[in-house]
Amino acid sequence: DVKVTQSSRYLVKRTGEKVFLECVQDMDHENMFWYRQDPGLGLRLIYFSYDVKMKEKGDIPEGYSVSREKKERFSLILESASTNQTSMYLCASSTPTGGGQPQHFGDGTRLSIL
Amino acid sequence: AQSVAQPEDQVNVAEGNPLTVKCTYSVSGNPYLFWYVQYPNRGLQFLLKYITGDNLVKGSYGFEAEFNKSQTSFHLKKPSALVSDSALYFCAVKTSGTYKYIFGTGTRLKVLA
Repeated sequence: DVKVTQSSRYLVKRTGEKVFLECVQDMDHENMFWYRQDPGLGLRLIYFSYDVKMKEKGDIPEGYSVSREKKERFSLILESASTNQTSMYLCASSTPTGGGQPQHFGDGTRLSIL
Repeated sequence: AQSVAQPEDQVNVAEGNPLTVKCTYSVSGNPYLFWYVQYPNRGLQFLLKYITGDNLVKGSYGFEAEFNKSQTSFHLKKPSALVSDSALYFCAVKTSGTYKYIFGTGTRLKVLA
């Protein structure tokens, strides 16, 4: 089974801090994604990556950046955390497009910014 | 623009009764359609997908979904609901050649004992 592991289940940070969320997958998937999940809004795509060092902005990239130095690891960075970034963050991976492959999700990081 | 609609925020059903969770979509081209389930404080788990072929797709935990091209719908069904089916359900769509999966806003299913 595919395993997507997010480094923290719960995280509390302060306004203005630089925050790193880490995600590792063990199935050699090319594609990796970061979403945030908010009640009533579903999942909104922040960034995705289709290869090492390659990234594309999603729908809500403002205030975030990403890093993918190795194929299995995809990091989300909040450059200067703000209270409106309090949310559930979900990482996912999938095999390349061309086929209708489902995404595989981690258990999420519930981030609170105080 | 591609979109997915889940018109019901919540669906209540009695245990043992059939359940339906609705999903409609709008895409250019042929869709790949997915259903996921999310239990509290967990990530999304894949239930089933439609790529091509038979319009009735069977998935995990006794769930199935029916693809209807003319109505652009992909409703999730189960003949007999269990209390343990209570969770948040998401429909998603993507098209060939794109990276992006479009998710609905989710439907909370409550199965009452």
